Amino acid sequence: QKEVEQNSGPLSVPEGAIASLNCTYSDRGSQSFFWYRQYSGKSPELIMFIYSNGDKEDGRFTAQLNKASQYVSLLIRDSQPSDSATYLCAVTPPGDSWGKLQFGAGTQVVVTP
Amino acid sequence: DAGVIQSPRHEVTEMGQEVTLRCKPISGHDYLFWYRQTMMRGLELLIYFNNNVPIDDSGMPEDRFSAKMPNASFSTLKIQPSEPRDSAVYFCASRGILESTDTQYFGPGTRLTVL
Repeated sequence: QKEVEQNSGPLSVPEGAIASLNCTYSDRGSQSFFWYRQYSGKSPELIMFIYSNGDKEDGRFTAQLNKASQYVSLLIRDSQPSDSATYLCAVTPPGDSWGKLQFGAGTQVVVTP
Repeated sequence: DAGVIQSPRHEVTEMGQEVTLRCKPISGHDYLFWYRQTMMRGLELLIYFNNNVPIDDSGMPEDRFSAKMPNASFSTLKIQPSEPRDSAVYFCASRGILESTDTQYFGPGTRLTVL
């Protein structure tokens, strides 16, 4: 079992709709959770992080964390063609104080006009 | 702030040749990470440094790979000899603080093609 799992997609979303991305992780003690966006041919860039159970909103993005279910999600509201990218979920392993991240394989999102 | 700087951006070499990838982290960041990304394996952590000291190199695929960080502003990843299966995008990232959160900032990457 991979430590961080994501559906590879592609997730096709009509413009203006909500894109919902899911991520599960295997290490129950993981504390920090990140979402990175990667455009084709570019490097990953951080868009959201979350530590506590519940929701965290930043503009059109909402991260949701449920540690009991070992599940973190990302919602993109009012999806735009510019949101078309691969979204990488990353998790800090439990007990790791060095900032090491475990990345999922990524979910490709395609927003169609 | 110039961000993380990597060079070269593209490298094409022949099997058996030595390849050296370079990275300049963001000034003031004390952690530096080297990643490799392929379609098959995704983003893999190869090695990371804290204050120029290697902390974990368990992701380095084999002895052909080596990394150094002689000072706080420079790191290299060397492959010798290179093989076609080393073809990938290699990213360097440095870690800093954003809103009291440790965040990794990625460089633009080096696309390596080994023929």
